[in-house]
Amino acid sequence: DIQMTQSPSTLSASVGDRVIITCRASQNINNWLAWYQQKPGKAPNLLIYKASSLESGVPSRFSGSGSGTEFTLTISNLQPDDFATYYCQQYSSYSRFTFGPGTTVDF
Amino acid sequence: EVQLVESGGGLVQPGGSLRLSCAASGFTFSNYWMTWARQAPGKGLEWVANVKKDGSDKFYVDSVKGRFTISRDNAKNSVFLQLNSLRDEDTAVYYCARGEGGYGDTPRYWGQGTLVTVSS
Repeated sequence: DIQMTQSPSTLSASVGDRVIITCRASQNINNWLAWYQQKPGKAPNLLIYKASSLESGVPSRFSGSGSGTEFTLTISNLQPDDFATYYCQQYSSYSRFTFGPGTTVDF
Repeated sequence: EVQLVESGGGLVQPGGSLRLSCAASGFTFSNYWMTWARQAPGKGLEWVANVKKDGSDKFYVDSVKGRFTISRDNAKNSVFLQLNSLRDEDTAVYYCARGEGGYGDTPRYWGQGTLVTVSS
């Protein structure tokens, strides 16, 4: 099975900061990677799919990059609404998905 | 508007069973893969199972194989998750989600979740 890791696990930041979260896959997943944002008590919200495609309605300060085994989520100009937990997820392995352990962005 | 509404969660003893349901609306249900994922209290997300558009193929995370069964009824726009031989570690909020074909079937829309608590 494909394993996913994320770093850092927690990130302290301030409004206006540029934040970068890294996600690594245990094997080549091409660009079959998604990023989700989750707030406490809420369902996940899709931000990025196919590694770098921005989901409709998601602010352009969110961007994704990478391919193969290493990926990044960048949040430019961090806003108060962005303090949340972020998960990467691979969907390369045929119909078997894996989430990363998550990165919490807090003050 | 796409809507996914889960139901069927509750308190169950170890070794017991539950059947979760997810009612879908706002889209042509039979055109999409469906997913169940879960989140234990204070923990991260875990993918649980997927079912193909016509229900012919099903996939599971190793930890639930042989205990959980995903199914769907396209006539009733619903997807189900049968949970058997439940363990303490199955305690979680269970979410259903709809895949997006153009995105590679990654979950795009999510329900609000239903809580399953396994405890004696």
